[in-house]
Amino acid sequence: DIVLTQTPLSSPVTLGQSASISCRSSQSLVYSNGDTYLSWLQQRPGQPPRLLIYEVSKRFSGVPDRFSGSGAGTDFTLKISRVEAEDVGVYYCMQTTQSTWTFGQGTKVEIK
Amino acid sequence: QVQLQQSGPRLVKPSQTLSLTCAISGDSVSSNSAVWNWIRQSPSRGLEWLGRTYFRSKWYFEYAASVKSRITVSPDTSKNQFSLHLNSVTPEDTAVYYCAREGGNWYPDSWGQGSLVTVSS
Repeated sequence: DIVLTQTPLSSPVTLGQSASISCRSSQSLVYSNGDTYLSWLQQRPGQPPRLLIYEVSKRFSGVPDRFSGSGAGTDFTLKISRVEAEDVGVYYCMQTTQSTWTFGQGTKVEIK
Repeated sequence: QVQLQQSGPRLVKPSQTLSLTCAISGDSVSSNSAVWNWIRQSPSRGLEWLGRTYFRSKWYFEYAASVKSRITVSPDTSKNQFSLHLNSVTPEDTAVYYCAREGGNWYPDSWGQGSLVTVSS
């Protein structure tokens, strides 16, 4: 199975500042059709995960443009600009390129 | 808008079968584009995909290697829902279980509310 490794595991951030989370894959996430199926999820305390970004950089419906994704191949980044209090939670990268979906271990974003 | 509502026992004894149901509204379990998944989350294992079912002229079932010998995911077209059955459970199967829909676009766009299932005698 593909292993996804996130860094950092914890990210204290000041309100209004930016946070970046890295996700590195053990193998390329480019599918045979040329697309890359790397998504980012947000999980607020006590809630199920929520889709933020799919196919590396596409924002899901209703997701603020403060969230952006980038990367290619095996290295990906989620950036949260102008962090707000509601952004507190754990962020996960996940891959659906292979039929066995796998997830990163999560990065906890908290306010300083 | 798709909504997924989970139900089932929250306490299961070791060696018994864990069973959960995910009721679907806003889509059909027999959809020719959607895929219906079960995922669990625990402190020790993180988020772990368990299995899926989908209909493409016939029913398909795919399972994670880690649980393949113990899991069944089954659709119920009469009730528009799908279920998870995990047998021979141990305390290591204690987790929050989620159902999730992949809407044909390679990402899980709808999630159930989660069910904390504890395996204990």
